[in-house]
Formats: sequence, C-alpha cells, structure tokens
Amino acid sequence: QQPVQSPQAVILREGEDAVINCSSSKALYSVHWYRQKHGEAPVFLMILLKGGEQKGHDKISASFNEKKQQSSLYLTASQLSYSGTYFCGTVRNSGNTPLVFGKGTRLSVIA
Amino acid sequence: EPEVTQTPSHQVTQMGQEVILRCVPISNHLYFYWYRQILGQKVEFLVSFYNNEISEKSEIFDDQFSVERPDGSNFTLKIRSTKLEDSAMYFCASSSSQFNSPLHFGNGTRLTVT
Repeated sequence: QQPVQSPQAVILREGEDAVINCSSSKALYSVHWYRQKHGEAPVFLMILLKGGEQKGHDKISASFNEKKQQSSLYLTASQLSYSGTYFCGTVRNSGNTPLVFGKGTRLSVIA
Repeated sequence: EPEVTQTPSHQVTQMGQEVILRCVPISNHLYFYWYRQILGQKVEFLVSFYNNEISEKSEIFDDQFSVERPDGSNFTLKIRSTKLEDSAMYFCASSSSQFNSPLHFGNGTRLTVT
C-alpha cells in the first residue's frame, strides 16, 4: 500500500521554505526520501528508521514520527536546484516488504 | 563513485514482441530491483531479487515479466508479448542491504511500444 504525499505540487520563490508530508496507514520500518529531476533517475536524499528520528542534509532535513506513521521533509532557504519531484518511499514493518513510493510532490523554485 | 548502469537507454518495439532490459548493479550490492515509471506518474515497484531468486513482486509483475541474473554482474528484465501500456521508463536499482540502505538507481530504459 503506497504512502500518501502532500501537497501534490508547490511553487516557491528562492529563499522560501517548504514542507512535504508523507503518511502511511501501516506501521513502518523506514521512510526514504528521493528527488527526481525531469528525465533523470530518482536520487537518494535520506533514510529515517523506526524509533523516530530526524536527519539533516545541508538545508534539507526530515523527521519521522513512528507513532503517527508520518514523515516530513523540510526544505529551507530553497534554491533553484531544489526543483524537482520529491518522492517518499516506505518500507512496512511487517517482514519482507519492498520500498513503495508515493505519487510524488512536484516542487518548483523560481527566481 | 560506483553507479548502476542500464542498457539500452531507449528501446522501441512493436506490440507483441519480447524485450530484454539490462542492468549492471553496483558490484558489492546484494539486492536488486526493477521499478517502472509511466510518464509523469509515480515510480512503481515491480520486483526485488536477492540470492538468485525473487524476494518480492508486485501485482504488476505477472507472467509477462521475468528477471534473471545470468552471470555475476548483469541483472535483466524480460517482457514478453509487449503491450502498448508497457510503455514506460524502467529503472533498475540496487542496494547493499534490504531495508535500511539507499536504493541506487540507474538512468533508466525508456521503452516505447508501438
């Protein structure tokens, strides 16, 4: 069962912040975040494991609320290079389950 | 940095034909995957492969599809009797562990069925 992402799309001006949310109805083992630019492969950003954690990577960070089965990706002081589609992927906490992606959030950063 | 390579980058085939998409995963990775992405849509899981056998497959991965690791480096996806709706970008990915390491994606093969 795929995770649900919101919003579907967002437009930012350079320097603005954004939050992308990802939620699941099933207990999760881990949440992955990837960014895909048009015509390219998805590129890994970060993984958050159950136990609830928060990770950061430059001005992109994420949190995972295990109790709510929700993760959020935070983009601060956005740059033009942040434009792309962000996918969360989830691994369920029920044995041998694959990474399943949400429908993605299209982020456009404009000057 | 090691990378996943896929060939061909673009494949055009006629409906009903068979195609084989090829992938060379990162050499020390143990888990291999195929995903597909219909234009403008989400990345859909097809199959995962470990220890020379399928570990998980989605409902998309029916008898039309098969995977193989014919030697120590290649990982292939065969699509038999292709249909128009098989047109998509097919991504191969590999990872070092199953649940808590990133997937490294290849650049994909764009399959066009005419």
